[in-house]
Amino acid sequence: DAKTTQPPSMDCAEGRAANLPCNHSTISGNEYVYWYRQIHSQGPQYIIHGLKNNETNEMASLIITEDRKSSTLILPHATLRDTAVYYCIVLSGAGSYQLTFGKGTKLSVIP
Amino acid sequence: DADVTQTPRNRITKTGKRIMLECSQTKGHDRMYWYRQDPGLGLQLIYYSFDVKDINKGEISDGYSVSRQAQAKFSLSLESAIPNQTALYFCATSDLHRTGTGWSVNTEAFFGQGTRLTVV
Repeated sequence: DAKTTQPPSMDCAEGRAANLPCNHSTISGNEYVYWYRQIHSQGPQYIIHGLKNNETNEMASLIITEDRKSSTLILPHATLRDTAVYYCIVLSGAGSYQLTFGKGTKLSVIP
Repeated sequence: DADVTQTPRNRITKTGKRIMLECSQTKGHDRMYWYRQDPGLGLQLIYYSFDVKDINKGEISDGYSVSRQAQAKFSLSLESAIPNQTALYFCATSDLHRTGTGWSVNTEAFFGQGTRLTVV
């Protein structure tokens, strides 16, 4: 599975959009981009995933560049409860399915 | 009831003791995982199982063993606990579904609430 690179930390003002980048320059054609978050010491929570088209759900939007080498998770109106570590993961659609986590981005939402 | 249940939630044990952490799920998923998390760090994969007869080592399997007793149950054992196994342990489940293109895609993974293990 392709590796990902994320900034270690980011701040965002409450009520503003939080844009979390992820680089996955070695992604291959059948690999999906997944985002999870972990609030304090709770179990990670799934947010969204996509292949090449932009995706949106009730939690967030996922923007994948045309060359698929990077993506951005957007929380449109960040709240204090969105303070968490956000993990970007790339998984193959066929073959190895190890769900492994990197270090993620620590997002701090500031009042 | 939670989709993924871990027992116990907290445990303190002594060095050299054998301990088992249990995980059960009601999602009907074939895939189950065990992770550990050290303070301030990300999750590390210990073992994973794609079905009852398929168990695989993850990134850090030394010192651990697992048992998949049924589709719904996946246990993690520390045969002889040592202090550096003090950590937060998570169990997770996921499944596959086929897309219109014929590919298999991992469904979202569901995590338990974690077991905080302290080895003294």
